[in-house]
Amino acid sequence: DTAVSQTPKYLVTQMGNDKSIKCEQNLGHDTMYWYKQDSKKFLKIMFSYNNKELIINETVPNRFSPKSPDKAHLNLHINSLELGDSAVYFCASSRGTNGANVLTFGAGSRLTVL
Amino acid sequence: KQEVTQIPAALSVPEGENLVLNCSFTDSAIYNLQWFRQDPGKGLTSLLLIQSSQREQTSGRLNASLDKSSGRSTLYIAASQPGDSATYLCAVYSGTYKYIFGTGTRLKVLA
Repeated sequence: DTAVSQTPKYLVTQMGNDKSIKCEQNLGHDTMYWYKQDSKKFLKIMFSYNNKELIINETVPNRFSPKSPDKAHLNLHINSLELGDSAVYFCASSRGTNGANVLTFGAGSRLTVL
Repeated sequence: KQEVTQIPAALSVPEGENLVLNCSFTDSAIYNLQWFRQDPGKGLTSLLLIQSSQREQTSGRLNASLDKSSGRSTLYIAASQPGDSATYLCAVYSGTYKYIFGTGTRLKVLA
């Protein structure tokens, strides 16, 4: 029973297309995140949501639009894909904002833009 | 602005060795620090979380320590095994709804 699940696992698409990645968590967490891992394996925060509300937008181009229909879901839609968007996108979740909040990751969605 | 650095970037050791991975951060005002493991092509698995009031945490052959005042954490792996080969990442949480990740250490344990 996967705690944080992302779909699809792989995406290959042409420049200019629009694509979406879905994320769901069954841990009862109230905070969800999108992270981008580049080719050098560096993980960078993109967005964080708490109780469906956007909290962090870390200077991400507005071609990226996250949506949280409820606390258990956080989806990422990307318009007009560019070559530089190729990366692995990770969804994660945590409970609360105190010191005991373990961050739990999904398996990642590898996006390749041709 | 919080910055997190991990040294070394890569490490190759023979099986059975004890080893230490280092993580340093620039702003000591953190809530917790978490160590993760990432296998190639996979997601991140949480190994240990140390809250700001704690000095260390242990899980099996892993021991993580935290020295907030000096901005350092170490992950100690005892009696390393080939199955420990992976990338190890540390991340700090400062209560701002984001974890800041280090640059990672790629570990290879040779049989």
